[in-house]
Amino acid sequence: EVQLVESGGGLVQPGGSLRLSCAASEFTFSSYGMNWVRQAPGKGLEWVSAISGGGGHTYYADSVKGRFTISRDNSKDTLYLQMSSLRAEDTAIYYCAKEGGHAKPFDSWGQGTLVTVSS
Amino acid sequence: EIVLTQSPATLSLSPGERATLSCRASQSVSSNLAWYQQKPGQAPRLIIYDASNRATGVPARFSGSGSGTDFTLTISSLEPEDSAVYYCQQRSTWWTFGQGTKVEIK
Repeated sequence: EVQLVESGGGLVQPGGSLRLSCAASEFTFSSYGMNWVRQAPGKGLEWVSAISGGGGHTYYADSVKGRFTISRDNSKDTLYLQMSSLRAEDTAIYYCAKEGGHAKPFDSWGQGTLVTVSS
Repeated sequence: EIVLTQSPATLSLSPGERATLSCRASQSVSSNLAWYQQKPGQAPRLIIYDASNRATGVPARFSGSGSGTDFTLTISSLEPEDSAVYYCQQRSTWWTFGQGTKVEIK
């Protein structure tokens, strides 16, 4: 069974930085595009960023472009999200999610990690 | 950017009733539409992909239909465990989600 385990969340001050990780197992990690999706408290889902299986293509929501960087290490089966210039509105649960195939919907999700941006 | 609009915001029905959820896209997404179920405190779960295909392990009471700009998720006979928020999702240049429909079981 596919497993995705996020880590790295926590409390950070506005303007600060944080790096999230997502450890993947039980599938061929390098063969699948991966995504970050966030959910602010009591709100809906917001797609944040995507990266292709080989890591050569990345995509960002306008709300995080220029502040967040998605990357992956296929030798470690791990997905990352480097977040900088954090704002209060970035407060959310961050989920990593696996695409079901090229540009296919997300068939597996992690349990999420909470990021709180507050002074 | 393609915007997905879901209706109604909340649906309150009794067990055994039929639930009909709508998702409308601001421009055509062909059949590239998915539905997710999210229960409180849990990650979302894929239930429908390519507008009408049930994901692995999803009960047959869930069905999806539509193409172009208008899509429907139907739960034919509600069970108590179907209480959740349901989101539609599409991909054009990037992924977007609808704002969700909350299904409450009376």
